[in-house]
Amino acid sequence: KAGVTQTPRYLIKTRGQQVTLSCSPISGHRSVSWYQQTPGQGLQFLFEYFSETQRNKGNFPGRFSGRQFSNSRSEMNVSTLELGDSALYLCASSLNTGGLAGELFFGEGSRLTVL
Amino acid sequence: QQQVKQSPQSLIVQKGGISIINCAYENTAFDYFPWYQQFPGKGPALLIAIRPDVSEKKEGRFTISFNKSAKQFSLHIMDSQPGDSATYFCAALNSGGSNYKLTFGKGTLLTVNP
Repeated sequence: KAGVTQTPRYLIKTRGQQVTLSCSPISGHRSVSWYQQTPGQGLQFLFEYFSETQRNKGNFPGRFSGRQFSNSRSEMNVSTLELGDSALYLCASSLNTGGLAGELFFGEGSRLTVL
Repeated sequence: QQQVKQSPQSLIVQKGGISIINCAYENTAFDYFPWYQQFPGKGPALLIAIRPDVSEKKEGRFTISFNKSAKQFSLHIMDSQPGDSATYFCAALNSGGSNYKLTFGKGTLLTVNP
């Protein structure tokens, strides 16, 4: 069974540009979450989608957005990039949203560098 | 507001020793506490998890101890091995909520010397 797949794995952008990251969850998983990982702040929740609906959003500015498609694949977009957006962006999928399962399966991340 | 505080930031132990990582939480609605292990270049992977109806859970060399009244939980790695060298994150979740938002500690970089 394939794991969570994120593309691209690495990318370099300049300030002011925008970026779109893609995530394919494990087959059958309907919940997709996004996290930002930085050395200083650790893992911070961005948003979670379930059945194409955003269920929750973290404390990030509106420049960060996402969406989920009918096949559960998800994308996140960051507009007007800032130097501080340099981070590893992790996607995670889950069989359920909340509930007893509790296990998030993470992809290997997309490492974004903003110059 | 940091809802899950993790310590230490880094830890060095000798092979065969015991590694102990501690976490404290503030939100009493949290009822699911997983630990994730992350190797360089990889995403975090679930290691072990506990719910507050038990005070301890053991899986192989890994044990979670949970103190509900103190709102603290810890990860013990017995007989630590160089292959255990990784970053460990504790996390907490309110599973009764309608969304899936794990709150993570800031991580502990564990180095096990051979």
